[in-house]
Amino acid sequence: SSELTQDPAVSVALGQTVRITCQGDSLRSCYATWYQQKPGQAPILVIFGENNRPSGIPDRFSGSGSGNTASLTITGAQAEDEADYYCNSRDSSGNHWVFGGGTKLTVL
Amino acid sequence: QVQLVQSGAEVKKPGASVRVSCKASGYTFTSHWMHWVRQAPGQGLEWMGIINPSGGVTIYAQKLQGRVTMTRDTSTTTVYMELSSLRSEDTAMYYCARDNSVADTSWWFDPWGQGTLVTVSS
Repeated sequence: SSELTQDPAVSVALGQTVRITCQGDSLRSCYATWYQQKPGQAPILVIFGENNRPSGIPDRFSGSGSGNTASLTITGAQAEDEADYYCNSRDSSGNHWVFGGGTKLTVL
Repeated sequence: QVQLVQSGAEVKKPGASVRVSCKASGYTFTSHWMHWVRQAPGQGLEWMGIINPSGGVTIYAQKLQGRVTMTRDTSTTTVYMELSSLRSEDTAMYYCARDNSVADTSWWFDPWGQGTLVTVSS
């Protein structure tokens, strides 16, 4: 079982805003990192730290956190944002890393 | 540019071992730890462990303790992941990913290798 919990699936209408959440005790003391994975591809980094985007990631992607919950927000979702999204952080022991179960985002 | 290039696909029989390589380039090899992550077909990402290319220190996921070994060769800037006593449940895509961190509150995996498919089948 994962120490980070994500909703298995979320949908959003084209151009609307969607929030994908990740819950876990370790998030009270460290930031979540978010990865996007499209079918047949390796994951890519989309958000790290407090709210940082690597170069090449559109500014419609943003991250936030409160208590034991981290969120990835896509403001104005595009068709190409349809993918699986995974959160990641250290586990509660601090010695290992863990991924959330992933959220499948569908853009309608 | 920073790049991780992994070895090719493998097919192994149950009980055998497999070794996957990950060659790093474009940065100082010993300055970043390296993670290994796997993904079974249709499933999520599973963290396997991490190695420090500088001293070879490793930390493994408890689930894989005793079956996984991560090593490195600084002369060729390559890290290796060996998994023994393979079973069908080990069939997965295996990825290496460079560790990055700030202070003790933020870590991220970037970039990722292209993945190596390991199939375990009799």
